[in-house]
This record gives sequence, C-alpha cells and structure tokens, in this order.
Amino acid sequence: TQLLEQSPQFLSIQEGENLTVYCNSSSVFSSLQWYRQEPGEGPVLLVTVVTGGEVKKLKRLTFQFGDARKDSSLHITAAQPGDTGLYLCAGERDGNNRKLIWGLGTSLAVNP
Amino acid sequence: ETGVTQTPRHLVMGMTNKKSLKCEQHLGHNAMYWYKQSAKKPLELMFVYSLEERVENNSVPSRFSPECPNSSHLFLHLHTLQPEDSALYLCASSQLGGSGELFFGEGSRLTVL
Repeated sequence: TQLLEQSPQFLSIQEGENLTVYCNSSSVFSSLQWYRQEPGEGPVLLVTVVTGGEVKKLKRLTFQFGDARKDSSLHITAAQPGDTGLYLCAGERDGNNRKLIWGLGTSLAVNP
Repeated sequence: ETGVTQTPRHLVMGMTNKKSLKCEQHLGHNAMYWYKQSAKKPLELMFVYSLEERVENNSVPSRFSPECPNSSHLFLHLHTLQPEDSALYLCASSQLGGSGELFFGEGSRLTVL
C-alpha cells in the first residue's frame, strides 16, 4: 500500500516555466519533508512543514502543507536547469522521525 | 562536501561473494540508517541504529547484516545476495530529538550478478 502518492511521476519542461508537484495521502502526518535528489547523489532536505495550512518559501520554491495535514504541494516558479532532479516527499507519523513514510518521487527535467 | 560519506560508490558482486558497505558521518549525530532505493519503489528503511544500538529492523533478509561499532560508523555486510538485491543503498544520519532531518550519503550502487 502506497501511503504517499506523488504526482506527476515524470515531468519535462522548458527553462522558465512554472510547475507544481503534489504529495497526497489519506493519512494524517505530524510533519512532512521535501527532499531533492540529483543524479548520483543522496537526497537533500529542502523543507519541513509542520502546521496545517503552512506555506514556506525557498527562493523560487513554494511549499504548502494541506489544512488537514494529509497532503502537500511544491510549486517552482521560472524553473532552471539546476532544478532538475527527483523530488521526494516523506511524512512523519506520531512524532516518529525514525520511520518516515516515503513517496515514489517526481522526476523533473528542466531543459535549457 | 557531504557530512556523510559512503564507500564504495559502486560495487559489482556475484551471488556467492561477501562484501561490505561502509558509512561514516562527521556530524555528531546519534542515529544512523540504512535505506534501499530501487526503481519504482519508495525508499525502504532497512536498519536504524540509535546510540549504537539497533532499534529498528524492518524484516530485512539475514543476508544483510548491519554493524555499528560507534556513533560515527555504520557497515552493511552482504553475503549470498540475489539479483533482486541490486539497488542503491543509502546511509543517513540524524539527531534524534532534533528537527527530524535526515542527512544522506551519496549512496553505494550495488549490482548482483
């Protein structure tokens, strides 16, 4: 059972375009993390959202946690080739940060 | 430069070989993890060590054997693996009681022939 559904699975866009990727679940999470994994590297944390309805911005990236803490979105404005990578969401349940629930990821390619 | 280093980066082994993956963290964290990353599957947690004691073992086959001699080092000993064990093995560390952020190494790409 896939507890965290990420969509789309693959996305190929041109430099300068905007995009949104989604992370959805029927379960409630105490927090949700977004990671980016570049080819040949391990995942790197981008942001953690904790409060329902929370919005966090990281330069051109905007993260939102759903009001019910079951879903999240990542919006990228004016995408750059350096944004290319696999975007993973991971949810923490019951305050247990040793056992995150992971999505399959969205593979993003930004073409120059 | 990553605070978590893994060696080797690539490993090819036969089904009868014995090999080990090594992980070292330079962040002063008190928990270390082994994850398996396969195509079309979410990251799978294999083992968690907290304060050098194994606290999670998610029903991983016995052909994978972890070792954590101290808070900075973690090993994954491999023996009589199967081709379906081919994957990227990621080591991570975190500070329990902190932000919950995982710091990953670059991974060891394992191919079992």
